[in-house]
Amino acid sequence: GIQVEQSPPDLILQEGANSTLRCNFSDSVNNLQWFHQNPWGQLINLFYIPSGTKQNGRLSATTVATERYSLLYISSSQTTDSGVYFCAVEGDRGSTLGRLYFGRGTQLTVWP
Amino acid sequence: SQTIHQWPATLVQPVGSPLSLECTVEGTSNPNLYWYRQAAGRGLQLLFYSVGIGQISSEVPQNLSASRPQDRQFILSSKKLLLSDSGFYLCAWSVWDHYNEQFFGPGTRLTVL
Repeated sequence: GIQVEQSPPDLILQEGANSTLRCNFSDSVNNLQWFHQNPWGQLINLFYIPSGTKQNGRLSATTVATERYSLLYISSSQTTDSGVYFCAVEGDRGSTLGRLYFGRGTQLTVWP
Repeated sequence: SQTIHQWPATLVQPVGSPLSLECTVEGTSNPNLYWYRQAAGRGLQLLFYSVGIGQISSEVPQNLSASRPQDRQFILSSKKLLLSDSGFYLCAWSVWDHYNEQFFGPGTRLTVL
């Protein structure tokens, strides 16, 4: 399978601060997704980003596929940003194709 | 638009009892369907995936089984639950012509006592 490592495992911020979450993966990928898991457990799609840069409001993401990493940027954080952020990748060949491999997530806590 | 439903939302079952969790998708046809489990400690583990009716691939040998009786219905079952089956079960769907991006249901929280 594909190994996915996320850092940091935990992050505590004050409201208004910026942060960067990192995702490293061990093989070439077809698909990379970032999710936010809210306190009720729902996994919310943030980005589908196998390569390049995307922005959505205060969130943006960059994937450098050739170097096998992705970054998620959160600017001007709000308390509602709290939760666990997951990175997940799909391989591009053989048994790694068609399934997502998840990292262990980054637990983000934003204090008012 | 597409919607994914899971039920029940929460379940408390005794050890040795059977299990049936259901997942249905609306608004798309011939989706790929997935069952994941999230135990304490955050990681998500793929249990089963299906690319069509009656086609099930198992990722991890365990006490669970899956079935896909209809195109947009995916069922997770067990004949006899173990304590270690406790966790948060998530169903997901994707379609190949949308880059196989996966979308998740609200989940079922299962506690085995």
